[in-house]
This record gives sequence, structure tokens and C-alpha cells, in this order.
Amino acid sequence: RKEVEQDPGPFNVPEGATVAFNCTYSNSASQSFFWYRQDCRKEPKLLMSVYSSGNEDGRFTAQLNRASQYISLLIRDSKLSDSATYLCVVKGSGYALNFGKGTSLLVTP
Amino acid sequence: DAGVIQSPRHEVTEMGQEVTLRCKPISGHNSLFWYRQTMMRGLELLIYFNNNVPIDDSGMPEDRFSAKMPNASFSTLKIQPSEPRDSAVYFCASSHGGFGGNEQFFGPGTRLTVL
Repeated sequence: RKEVEQDPGPFNVPEGATVAFNCTYSNSASQSFFWYRQDCRKEPKLLMSVYSSGNEDGRFTAQLNRASQYISLLIRDSKLSDSATYLCVVKGSGYALNFGKGTSLLVTP
Repeated sequence: DAGVIQSPRHEVTEMGQEVTLRCKPISGHNSLFWYRQTMMRGLELLIYFNNNVPIDDSGMPEDRFSAKMPNASFSTLKIQPSEPRDSAVYFCASSHGGFGGNEQFFGPGTRLTVL
């Protein structure tokens, strides 16, 4: 079983829609959680960290449920420029980041 | 400021040839990571260094793969001999802070095709 699992999608949504992604992780000792964004044929870039209390950055809201071991990302008022692959990332006590395979989002006009 | 620099950006080679990928991390970063990304397997961590010392190479697929970091500003990933199944995008990333910090900054990647 892969350590971080995501629905690969694709999620096709119209501009202005709200869309949510979830991911689950298997290691209950995981300590840090992130969402990275990867545009087509580009490198991954940090979108936001995920905190236990939940956190918001503009149109993006991330939440963590440690008891159920899942992480979510909510995007409100989707823009065409939000089209990308969203990678769920989990870190334990060491150096390594564990990446999910990503969820593909396509926002259409 | 310059980000992580990788070269070459694209590499096409024939099976059996040696391939060397290069990476220059962000100045001041003390951790460096090599990843491989394919459609089937996603982003896989191959090896990482802290203060130029390899910490964990358990992700290196086999002995054909080797990585070095001779100094804080340069690392190489070598595949010898290369095979078609090595075709992938290879990313280098760097970070700073204890235990690799949190945010990793990725280079643009090297797209490797082995024929």
C-alpha cells in the first residue's frame, strides 16, 4: 500500500466552481503535511502547508484530520489558472517528503 | 535569486550508454534530494544528502544508479548502463533547516529518454 493515496481524477470543473480533493496517508506518526502544485511539464511547487487547526490562503483551504489520517484541499471560485496537478505530501520525523501521485484538475471556461 | 539548476534539460540516449545528470542547489541550502517521476509510479525519492553526506539511498533502484555530492553546490546522478525503463523526468530539489526543513525547492527537471 502506497504511503500517500489520492484520487487521480481528472476533476473537470467550470470556472467559478468549488472543488475539493482528499488524500489519505498510512503512517500515523507523520508530522508535517503539505499540498504542492505541479503544472504540466513543470516542477512541483509548494502551494501551502496543512495545519491541524486548518488554514486558509485566499481561495484555498486546507484541513487535516489526524484521527482519520486524511488531508483535504478546497478551492473556491476556481480560475482557469488553477488547472494543474495537486500533490498531497506527508513528512515523518526524518528528511524525506512522501508524495502522492497527484490529482489532476482542469478548470474550463 | 537563482533557483535549483539542472542540466541537461533533455537527454536522449541509447540503451547501454552512461547518463550523467547534474544539479546545483540553491545557495545556503543544506539538503539535496533526487527524485524520479513517471506516469505509472509518480514522484519517487531516489536519494538525499544532508551537508553533502548521503543520508538515505534506499530509493535508488539498483546498482546502475549512483549519486555524488562533492561539495555544497553540486551533485550528480549517474546511470550506467542506461535502460529504456529508466526513461522518466529526474528532479533535483534542495531545502534548508533541520531534517531537511519543510519546503523543498525543485529544479526544472531533466527529461530522460533511453531508446
